[in-house]
Amino acid sequence: KQEVTQIPAALSVPEGENLVLNCSFTDSAIYNLQWFRQDPGKGLTSLLLIQSSQREQTSGRLNASLDKSSGRSTLYIAASQPGDSATYLCAVSGNNNDMRFGAGTRLTVKP
Amino acid sequence: NAGVMQNPRHLVRRRGQEARLRCSPMKGHSHVYWYRQLPEEGLKFMVYLQKENIIDESGMPKERFSAEFPKEGPSILRIQQVVRGDSAAYFCASSGNHYGYTFGSGTRLTVV
Repeated sequence: KQEVTQIPAALSVPEGENLVLNCSFTDSAIYNLQWFRQDPGKGLTSLLLIQSSQREQTSGRLNASLDKSSGRSTLYIAASQPGDSATYLCAVSGNNNDMRFGAGTRLTVKP
Repeated sequence: NAGVMQNPRHLVRRRGQEARLRCSPMKGHSHVYWYRQLPEEGLKFMVYLQKENIIDESGMPKERFSAEFPKEGPSILRIQQVVRGDSAAYFCASSGNHYGYTFGSGTRLTVV
């Protein structure tokens, strides 16, 4: 059974700082990994999707890496802004096309 | 493409009533997933459906909960005889084959 863990559970940083969010998964037989953002009381917004054959994906100030063999992914956020404050969720899709989520990292960027 | 549409956005039910949550997947997507999110917690997988088939319902409570995805029309998550502990946000997502998920905005169920 796939288990997804995200560390840290919460993170508070001053504006402008670069930061890294971590995600690990127990079963390396995945098809893809997706990072989402969730604002309080809202739905999920997809940030980056990495297929299992890929190593990383970039979108603006965000960069996500994938090391399938070690069961790890990182989300790098450059030059953080208060608007980046949200919960960031990592999810992996397995052989059955289902997706399992980590519990998320709650990020606060202080002005 | 209107994305994944969930309705209603908010639903209030008294204990013992039935709750019906609807989800229309993105055009061209044949896989639908339901997740539940309790306050201050992560998303918990409930059920995965394709048209007219339940593929994986390992996350569904054994009683009172059911889901369907008929040939025509939206997917329905049905909760019978709701209790206060069912209060949560219920999210639906859809996908094509292994191309990532798109989520709806969720239905926030409150049981009073």
